[in-house]
Amino acid sequence: DADVTQTPRNRITKTGKRIMLECSQTKGHDRMYWYRQDPGLGLRLIYYSFDVKDINKGEISDGYSVSRQAQAKFSLSLESAIPNQTALYFCATSDPTPQGEKTQYFGPGTRLLVL
Amino acid sequence: AQTVTQSQPEMSVQEAETVTLSCTYDTSESNYYLFWYKQPPSRQMILVIRQEAYKQQNATENRFSVNFQKAAKSFSLKISDSQLGDTAMYFCAFKQSQGGSEKLVFGKGTKLTVNP
Repeated sequence: DADVTQTPRNRITKTGKRIMLECSQTKGHDRMYWYRQDPGLGLRLIYYSFDVKDINKGEISDGYSVSRQAQAKFSLSLESAIPNQTALYFCATSDPTPQGEKTQYFGPGTRLLVL
Repeated sequence: AQTVTQSQPEMSVQEAETVTLSCTYDTSESNYYLFWYKQPPSRQMILVIRQEAYKQQNATENRFSVNFQKAAKSFSLKISDSQLGDTAMYFCAFKQSQGGSEKLVFGKGTKLTVNP
């Protein structure tokens, strides 16, 4: 079974709709991240969370919100979807142990199309 | 702010040959981490190799190795004995060592095609 899972894998929605993308992990990591990938731009950080009570904005948080329901679950919401939020969305986790490189491990991605 | 530059948008190589992908970065930090991720057509982001800046020895993982030149801020990836399954987008990424979001800063990627 995959360590980091994302649901749904693909989603088509209409402008103005509220949608939620979900991420779950079995790695036991405290730190979770949401990134967005656009063609030709690499990945950019939307939100991150170091534990259940810690939520922080990344570089492109406008139009998004998140919820850390448990250590293993981190959801991303688009309150009112717009076409320029069409992108590939990745969830990632990392281990905060000092001796580790804090490598981030990614889920399989959710492809979102906003019409 | 840190930046990562991959100057080769696309590359191709014949199966069994060696190819090197370039990456340069800009930072004022003295310690940090560098990564290469592979993204095949399946879209999954897969860690290929990682390097810690204070380690002078270049990292290797089977057919993958890096040439880390700290003074030049260069972190190239060498793939030996290329295989068809190596066809993918390759992203170079930087992460500062301490503090902040510990976000990964990605380059724009290099599309590698391995030809039979």
